[in-house]
Amino acid sequence: NAGVTQTPKFQVLKTGQSMTLQCAQDMNHNSMYWYRQDPGMGLRLIYYSASEGTTDKGEVPNGYNVSRLNKREFSLRLESAAPSQTSVYFCASSPDWGQPQHFGDGTRLSIL
Amino acid sequence: AQRVTQPEKLLSVFKGAPVELKCNYSYSGSPELFWYVQYSRQRLQLLLRHISRESIKGFTADLNKGETSFHLKKPFAQEEDSAMYYCALNAGAGSYQLTFGKGTKLSVIP
Repeated sequence: NAGVTQTPKFQVLKTGQSMTLQCAQDMNHNSMYWYRQDPGMGLRLIYYSASEGTTDKGEVPNGYNVSRLNKREFSLRLESAAPSQTSVYFCASSPDWGQPQHFGDGTRLSIL
Repeated sequence: AQRVTQPEKLLSVFKGAPVELKCNYSYSGSPELFWYVQYSRQRLQLLLRHISRESIKGFTADLNKGETSFHLKKPFAQEEDSAMYYCALNAGAGSYQLTFGKGTKLSVIP
């Protein structure tokens, strides 16, 4: 059961390095989201894409960029990683705007 | 600003006992409320939404605007209900800004 697929599952970076988190969904959903979850915290929205070709900032967008490559794929890029970006990142999707329905397994990212 | 509070980090109940996971919110408009669940080694998933007024896996939740609450209830807990539960609030139609609570870990004791 694919649903929402995130890669990689784990990653360790050094401060200042860049990387892209990949997300793909196979449910033909219009909307996709990137969240981060820090210990003891709820999920916080980084960016979202209401539909193919559009992206918008969420609650905590600083330090990130996104690309909605096509309807299936929504990537999150860290241009210059900082220790404060150490977190678990979740991608999600939904048929229409509003609440995410399907989540990926998450990417556990550590920045040293 | 909107806020979601789940006052219990951990809730332990015996199998067959009633369950109530508390969720309080702060928002001045007409919110949409949701419950999400994450079972061990599974993905986070949407459990139910208040606008649907549905019962999923025996769970129900009623939006109480007077008390600004959206508690999740089940009359008889099952072991398979053990999971992490998150309450979330959306500021309403057209909003993508879903605000999550910190979550409550439900442990059902056999």
